[in-house]
Amino acid sequence: QVQLQESAPGLVKPSETLSLTCSVSGGSFDSGDYHWSWIRQHPWKGLEWLGYISYTGGTFPNPSLERRLTLSIDTSKNQFSLKLTSLTPADTAVYYCARGFGVVGANFDSWGQGTLVTVSS
Amino acid sequence: DIQMTQSPSSLSASVGDRVTITCRASQSITGYLSWFHQKPGKAPKLLIYDVSRLQSGVPSRFSGSGSGTDFTLTISSLQPEDFAIYYCQQTYSIPWTFGQGTKVEIK
Repeated sequence: QVQLQESAPGLVKPSETLSLTCSVSGGSFDSGDYHWSWIRQHPWKGLEWLGYISYTGGTFPNPSLERRLTLSIDTSKNQFSLKLTSLTPADTAVYYCARGFGVVGANFDSWGQGTLVTVSS
Repeated sequence: DIQMTQSPSSLSASVGDRVTITCRASQSITGYLSWFHQKPGKAPKLLIYDVSRLQSGVPSRFSGSGSGTDFTLTISSLQPEDFAIYYCQQTYSIPWTFGQGTKVEIK
């Protein structure tokens, strides 16, 4: 059974960069059958898909965040990561990492528990 | 971006009731729709993908239907563990987008 676990940065300041890592255990990380996504949940905006990365390192960010978002993967550690720059309070949300299957990896069958990120001075 | 609109935004139902939730896309998404539910403090859980395919381990009381722009999630006999917020998600085109949620509460 695959398990995903986000790191926990907690409180970050406006204009700073958010760095999150998702650790994957229980198999499937090196399978080409999956893409690895980040999704966030705002209290006021609901769920927002941020982007995905494949095991081979191919990425596809949400166009609305493309200028601020960097996705990376470390296959030796079974981890994938997110960097989001120029933070504002609007980036306050619970951030989830998730595994996606299907033709384009959009069916999210396994999720981390989520980590609350608060952007505040 | 494709906008996903769910209705109703909330509903009250009793154990054993048949419950239907609707999701409408702002343009055709053919057969690329998923349904999730989410309980307080937990991550969303995948119930159905590709409109009507039941995710492994999900009870058969959950079913999905629809095509194009209009889709439905049906719970045939509501159980106590089904009280949650339900979300649809289009998987047709990037950026993948979600509905705003339907809260299913106990009557």
